[in-house]
Amino acid sequence: EVQLVESGGDLVQSGGSLRVSCAASGFTFRSDWMDWVRQAPGKGLEWVANISPDGGEANYVDSVKGRFTISRDNAKNSLYLQMNTLRAEDTAVYYCSRTLVNWGQGSLVTVSS
Amino acid sequence: DIQMTQSPSSLSASVGDRVTIICRASQGIRNELNWYQQRPGRAPKHLMYAASSLQSGVPSRFSGSGSGTEFTLTISSLQAEDFATYYCLQYNSYPRTFGQGTKVEI
Repeated sequence: EVQLVESGGDLVQSGGSLRVSCAASGFTFRSDWMDWVRQAPGKGLEWVANISPDGGEANYVDSVKGRFTISRDNAKNSLYLQMNTLRAEDTAVYYCSRTLVNWGQGSLVTVSS
Repeated sequence: DIQMTQSPSSLSASVGDRVTIICRASQGIRNELNWYQQRPGRAPKHLMYAASSLQSGVPSRFSGSGSGTEFTLTISSLQAEDFATYYCLQYNSYPRTFGQGTKVEI
């Protein structure tokens, strides 16, 4: 069974940094694209970024380019999202997803202004 | 960026009703479209891929159709557990984009 467990969500001040992580199990992690999707409180879903199986290619939504970095450690079956220069509008539940099919339960990031 | 527009934004329905949700893309995306269901406080659940292919384990009362710019998700006979918000997502190009959601209420 595919399992994705996010962690690292926290309350952080505007301009600060945070890294959220996703521990994956139940599938061959090193073979799949992985995505981050976020959902602001009471709002819809927004795709944030994805990364290729070997980590050599990454894609981002414009609003996070230059501030967020997606990465993975295939030896640890883990996905990461490093978030820098955080803004109030980055406040959201961050979901880790395997190829936009399987989803974790989410991790809440709150940015206070 | 490709804009995805769902209609309606919300609808009221009863158990047993047939429900149809429309998703329109601002440019052609072939059939590169997923549908998701999200219940309050829960992660999205993947229902459909390639516009009309049912994800394993999803009830057959869900069906999808369309290609190019117009897509539909149909629930043939609404059940109590289907009251939720539904989203479409295009994966034809980057950035991936979701529709704004359709809330199905009693």
